[in-house]
Amino acid sequence: DAKTTQPTSMDCAEGRAANLPCNHSTISGNEYVYWYRQIHSQGPQYIIHGLKNNETNEMASLIITEDRKSSTLILPHATLRDTAVYYCIVRAYDTGGFKTIFGAGTRLFVKA
Amino acid sequence: ETGVTQTPRHLVMGMTNKKSLKCEQHLGHNAMYWYKQSAKKPLELMFVYNFKEQTENNSVPSRFSPECPNSSHLFLHLHTLQPEDSALYLCASSQEGTDTQYFGPGTRLTVL
Repeated sequence: DAKTTQPTSMDCAEGRAANLPCNHSTISGNEYVYWYRQIHSQGPQYIIHGLKNNETNEMASLIITEDRKSSTLILPHATLRDTAVYYCIVRAYDTGGFKTIFGAGTRLFVKA
Repeated sequence: ETGVTQTPRHLVMGMTNKKSLKCEQHLGHNAMYWYKQSAKKPLELMFVYNFKEQTENNSVPSRFSPECPNSSHLFLHLHTLQPEDSALYLCASSQEGTDTQYFGPGTRLTVL
């Protein structure tokens, strides 16, 4: 699976948009970009995923560049409860079950 | 009850004890996973079960023994653990064909 690179930490003011970047320059054509987050001492939570097109759901938007070598997760109006570690993962379908590898992620601090 | 549940939420055990962690998913998924998260480290994938068959054992020591009696239940049997095995143990499930994993709240294990 392709490797991802994320900043170690980021700050965001409450009520502003949080834009979390992820580089995945070696991504293959059949690999999806997934985002999860983990609030302190809780299990990770799925946020969103995409292949080529931009995606939006009730939690966030995912913007994938045309060459697919990078993506940005956007939390449109960050709240204090969005403080968490955000993981960007690139995965392809595997009939043996997904063997997702979580990196260190980006620690997002939302400040009042 | 919905989602992925784990019991117990907290466990303290001695190195000579035998205990089991339980995970149950109510989502109709057919893949289940065990992860370990040590302090300030990324999640480490331990085991993957797909349709009750183990498809991944990520070089986990034999003192950790998984069991998957059906697609809804997953156990992790523990015996003669070491203090360095103290960690948050997370269970997750997904539907075959997707990598959208749903995590339980985890079991915080302390080995004395």
